[in-house]
Amino acid sequence: DIQMTQSPSTLSASVRDRVTITCRASQSISSWLAWYQQKPGKAPKLLIYKASTLESGVPSRFSGSGSGTEFTLTISSLQPDDFATYYCQQYNTYSTTFGQGTQLEIK
Amino acid sequence: EVQLLESGGGLVQPGGFLRLSCAASGFTFSSYAMSWVRQAPGKGLEWVSDISGNGGSTYYADSVKGRFTISRDNSKNTLYLQMNSLKAEDTAVYYCAKELGGYFDLWGRGTLVTVSS
Repeated sequence: DIQMTQSPSTLSASVRDRVTITCRASQSISSWLAWYQQKPGKAPKLLIYKASTLESGVPSRFSGSGSGTEFTLTISSLQPDDFATYYCQQYNTYSTTFGQGTQLEIK
Repeated sequence: EVQLLESGGGLVQPGGFLRLSCAASGFTFSSYAMSWVRQAPGKGLEWVSDISGNGGSTYYADSVKGRFTISRDNSKNTLYLQMNSLKAEDTAVYYCAKELGGYFDLWGRGTLVTVSS
């Protein structure tokens, strides 16, 4: 299976900060990467697919980039609603795998 | 309204079995592959299984292969997960998710499965 490693595991930031989360794949996955946001007790929500395509309805402060083995999720100006856990997912193979998650906390 | 609603979770003893269901509405169910994804308490997301739109192809994570069976009834817009020989490590919230080219654009609220004596 392809291993996905996110960094950092925990990130403390303030409202209006710009933050970046990194996701690395153990082998090339082209651009077959998605990002999700999950709040406690809720299902994950799709933010970005194909590495950089914003899902309909997701605010434009979210953006994704990368290809091959290294990817980033950037939030340009943190809002109170953005404090959550973020997961990357590779879907290059049928055996899809997720990163371990990055918990974004209020500083 | 476009939604997925899981049911069938609960407390089961090790070695027992359970069948989860996921009722879909608001979209053409048979046109999409569907997956089950689980999340152990306090842990990350783990893909469990998926099934093609017509049910002809199924895939499983190694951790559940031979114990779990995914199926669907397109006439009822319902996805199933039959879970046998359950282990403590199967304890998790189980989500059904609609696939779109490999990623998941719609998730249910989840159903909790607890395997304990």
